[in-house]
Amino acid sequence: GENVEQHPSTLSVQEGDSAVIKCTYSDSASNYFPWYKQELGKRPQLIIDIRSNVGEKKDQRIAVTLNKTAKHFSLHITETQPEDSAVYFCAASVRGSARQLTFGSGTQLTVLP
Amino acid sequence: SAVISQKPSRDICQRGTSLTIQCQVDSQVTMMFWYRQQPGQSLTLIATANQGSEATYESGFVIDKFPISRPNLTFSTLTVSNMSPEDSSIYLCSVEANQETQYFGPGTRLLVL
Repeated sequence: GENVEQHPSTLSVQEGDSAVIKCTYSDSASNYFPWYKQELGKRPQLIIDIRSNVGEKKDQRIAVTLNKTAKHFSLHITETQPEDSAVYFCAASVRGSARQLTFGSGTQLTVLP
Repeated sequence: SAVISQKPSRDICQRGTSLTIQCQVDSQVTMMFWYRQQPGQSLTLIATANQGSEATYESGFVIDKFPISRPNLTFSTLTVSNMSPEDSSIYLCSVEANQETQYFGPGTRLLVL
């Protein structure tokens, strides 16, 4: 089955700096890669996703890049703000078939004011 | 996105007892899933709740321990049976809404004493 590895497990940045979180996946059939943000005590919230026919996607301060050949994808947050502090999870699935999400282990992002 | 509710939001139970968690969504959805999130950990898929047929369980999870019902396209239940302290976790349902994007319910925090 699919295996998703996520790095780093913790990340601290100064407010205004950029943050990058990286994930690798094992199943070459995976074609859908969402990112979720989970604040303490809250549900995971989808913040951005990318499909395998696209190499990069942006939404304001958030971007995701995908390298299908290397089987890795990354989340980029620019101009970080204290409210970006949360746990971020990457995930992978095969759209159009079973569609179950396999999650990475999570990254605790702390934005220091 | 879909509006998803779960009941109960939290519970404290004695070992050996069972708890049934309900998941309700405000629109008809084809795919519903149940996840477990142990303290400080990532999300692990328990099973896919199939409408009109038995749930599909992931490796390490069995129907006798986690029976699931899916009577219609807006509702599902997960029962945690014969509980032990190791079952203390957050249990989340998710639904697949537009364009195969998954959204999560608020979760049920379970503590087993």
